[in-house]
Amino acid sequence: QKEVEQNSGPLSVPEGAIASLNCTYSDRGSQSFFWYRQYSGKSPELIMSIYSNGDKEDGRFTAQLNKASQYVSLLIRDSQPSDSATYLCAVTLSGAGSYQLTFGKGTKLSVIP
Amino acid sequence: GAVVSQHPSWVICKSGTSVKIECRSLDFQATTMFWYRQFPKQSLMLMATSNEGSKATYEQGVEKDKFLINHASLTLSTLTVTSAHPEDSSFYICSARTSGRNEQFFGPGTRLTVL
Repeated sequence: QKEVEQNSGPLSVPEGAIASLNCTYSDRGSQSFFWYRQYSGKSPELIMSIYSNGDKEDGRFTAQLNKASQYVSLLIRDSQPSDSATYLCAVTLSGAGSYQLTFGKGTKLSVIP
Repeated sequence: GAVVSQHPSWVICKSGTSVKIECRSLDFQATTMFWYRQFPKQSLMLMATSNEGSKATYEQGVEKDKFLINHASLTLSTLTVTSAHPEDSSFYICSARTSGRNEQFFGPGTRLTVL
């Protein structure tokens, strides 16, 4: 069973702090990695995609990928209450049907004003 | 860019009736569309994958005769829940990707309530 694992949280951080969200995956051949944000009652929204080892920054968000250790993380700098949501890690697996995303169960983030 | 719409956003129907949900990519050609279902406080569950002009591929445990998927054009896919029952009440979300890209962009979802 190819899996994507996330800590379910909730992860609570004070406003202005850095929130760090982690994700591990079991399929070493995974190719593409994504972070989605899902507000309660809404559909997921793509925040970041990352395909190669290292860091990728976009505004207050930084995605980090380490394929050797099979983990991907998301850092949110200067966290705001509006960042409070569930963050889903998603991975495209190797092999046939690789366009499908395998999702983790999500980490609930709460930013405390 | 990469906007996906769904219609309706919510629907209430009687048990035994059929409901059709539309998913449209507004500003790109969706070579592949995906249908998900999400129950309260649970993670997304992939129901099926459809490529334009081809039959959908259903995930294990999803009844293809109950959840009819049509992907007749590069911008439109439909999901029809046939003979809906209360246990089909859920949040149905579509997503779409275009050729050469792996990102999936999600529609806003359709909340189905079957009485």
